[in-house]
Amino acid sequence: GEDVEQSLFLSVREGDSSVINCTYTDSSSTYLYWYKQEPGAGLQLLTYIFSNMDMKQDQRLTVLLNKKDKHLSLRIADTQTGDSAIYFCAERLNDYKLSFGAGTTVTVRA
Amino acid sequence: SAVISQKPSRDICQRGTSLTIQCQVDSQVTMMFWYRQQPGQSLTLIATANQGSEATYESGFVIDKFPISRPNLTFSTLTVSNMSPEDSSIYLCSGGLGTQKETQYFGPGTRLLVL
Repeated sequence: GEDVEQSLFLSVREGDSSVINCTYTDSSSTYLYWYKQEPGAGLQLLTYIFSNMDMKQDQRLTVLLNKKDKHLSLRIADTQTGDSAIYFCAERLNDYKLSFGAGTTVTVRA
Repeated sequence: SAVISQKPSRDICQRGTSLTIQCQVDSQVTMMFWYRQQPGQSLTLIATANQGSEATYESGFVIDKFPISRPNLTFSTLTVSNMSPEDSSIYLCSGGLGTQKETQYFGPGTRLLVL
């Protein structure tokens, strides 16, 4: 099975907040990442958090990290139609490789 | 940050042929990686492209099928050899500085369809 797990789908109303959850297994991961993939496009790095942090905020994005539970979340405030995409959680392993979750497809409805 | 480009952006190939994908980074990066994203799936690491030496392959991937070159710190190629329809995927390269504050940036991907 995968080392990084995410729920597969999220539907949210425009203007509401979206919360995407992720769990990982490697307690030695130093960095955790959120990438966005729009249809037909590559991966865009959204944000990342260092493992000694609990929270990181960047404009509409808030990342929360619970290292004890190995739980990571991404909150998108005031979700817009342009936020519709697949969001991948990834953990960086000791040798700089990334291990990805399956991706959460976020659909924003009017 | 690093800007990564890939060529070709997409291709349709016949089974049994080979395709070489190029990855160019606009700055020197320590680490370069090649990933595969099969339809509707997440990303799977194929190999780490090592500058001046043989690539390091992940379990399930072999050099004969996916030969990789990395002649310098800004360029790498991945060849998909003797293709079959099962090789239809998006192939992405990524690069990172390999330092404590390294962030890994991805190219736009090469969409490959094998008939």
